[in-house]
Amino acid sequence: NAGVTQTPKFRILKIGQSMTLQCTQDMNHNYMYWYRQDPGMGLKLIYYSVGAGITDKGEVPNGYNVSRSTTEDFPLRLELAAPSQTSVYFCASSPGLAGPYEQYFGPGTRLTVT
Amino acid sequence: GEDVEQSLFLSVREGDSSVINCTYTDSSSTYLYWYKQEPGAGLQLLTYIFSNMDMKQDQRLTVLLNKKDKHLSLRIADTQTGDSAIYFCAARGYNNNDMRFGAGTRLTVKP
Repeated sequence: NAGVTQTPKFRILKIGQSMTLQCTQDMNHNYMYWYRQDPGMGLKLIYYSVGAGITDKGEVPNGYNVSRSTTEDFPLRLELAAPSQTSVYFCASSPGLAGPYEQYFGPGTRLTVT
Repeated sequence: GEDVEQSLFLSVREGDSSVINCTYTDSSSTYLYWYKQEPGAGLQLLTYIFSNMDMKQDQRLTVLLNKKDKHLSLRIADTQTGDSAIYFCAARGYNNNDMRFGAGTRLTVKP
């Protein structure tokens, strides 16, 4: 199993550009998450999904959109990129929503908006 | 302040014990986690503890939880250079969509 994979690893965007961060998991997990991590801060939840076709906002959803058309994929879309979106983005998946289930993380995407 | 706080840096000598501390604010936190992140990799779960426990030991790792003070610690015995990484503390209630992470403690182990 590859686990959770994310592409790209690094990206530089100009202000106002758009991009999609890709996330794929091969563990057949229903639950998937997008986090961002700013320097010196903890991870903040952007969006999550409890299954194909179902998504919900996390703590910091503004400026982002997600979709979940398959169990495996959970792309994160940035429209009109802003410098405030410079961050490291982590995708995660989990076999359960309630209970002690751990979250499995991808390696992260480092995004710079200039 | 942040929901989960931890110091940002810790440096120890190889063979010494490392203690990484964490405090959290939500008294309803049910599960408390320690994740490890190595360079270029995602976070990997090291261990977790239920809020009704006060200690958990797993080989070189000891987790202590003081629920009254909302304080969690991770002790690594006989720290090795391979333990150099960033360690994240996390707390959540019953559901996985309310996980709160600390900023991570960068542990440096000197030979």
